Amino acid sequence: SQQGEEDPQALSIQEGENATMNCSYKTSINNLQWYRQNSGRGLVHLILIRSNEREKHSGRLRVTLDTSKKSSSLLITASRAADTASYFCATVARDSWGKLQFGAGTQVVVTP
Amino acid sequence: NAGVTQTPKFQVLKTGQSMTLQCAQDMNHEYMSWYRQDPGMGLRLIHYSVGAGITDQGEVPNGYNVSRSTTEDFPLRLLSAAPSQTSVYFCASHTRGGGTYGYTFGSGTRLTVV
Repeated sequence: SQQGEEDPQALSIQEGENATMNCSYKTSINNLQWYRQNSGRGLVHLILIRSNEREKHSGRLRVTLDTSKKSSSLLITASRAADTASYFCATVARDSWGKLQFGAGTQVVVTP
Repeated sequence: NAGVTQTPKFQVLKTGQSMTLQCAQDMNHEYMSWYRQDPGMGLRLIHYSVGAGITDQGEVPNGYNVSRSTTEDFPLRLLSAAPSQTSVYFCASHTRGGGTYGYTFGSGTRLTVV
């Protein structure tokens, strides 16, 4: 079974708007990571947030983590057509350093 | 460029054939992993390795074998291909837990079993 579940499954927005997607997970984690996958391509790492962190920023990306609710969110501000991709959250559970478990992803389409 | 190299990029197999998917990394990472991705789904872990000579099973290990004789290489072997193994396969390398920079993924092998 997959550890994380993203919501929504699909998101369609216009350029300049913000995109927010959420991730819920089941077990205690060491860290949570977000990845982007363009159609037909490999995965690209966006942000890693540790269990003792609550918020992290990278450029137009903002990630929050609430370990009490076992949830995370990814915000993309001022979206661009180039942000069109699938976004996945993935977790490293405590005492499972070798395993990164993925959710099913959110498909984001940004229209010009 | 440093990274993870997967070969081949595409492969068509007949049911019952065997093959090896190659994965090599040049970042001196201890950890390496194999995932499969099916349409509309996230990645599922097949096998992973925490160092040369050490491997372990992930979520969906049946039908696959791995070995890790060197830090750089982590091949994935399909023993007797089945149509259910039609998928895109990704190899990744990383430091413990992903470190600061997360996992580095290869560009994938698209496998079709007929």
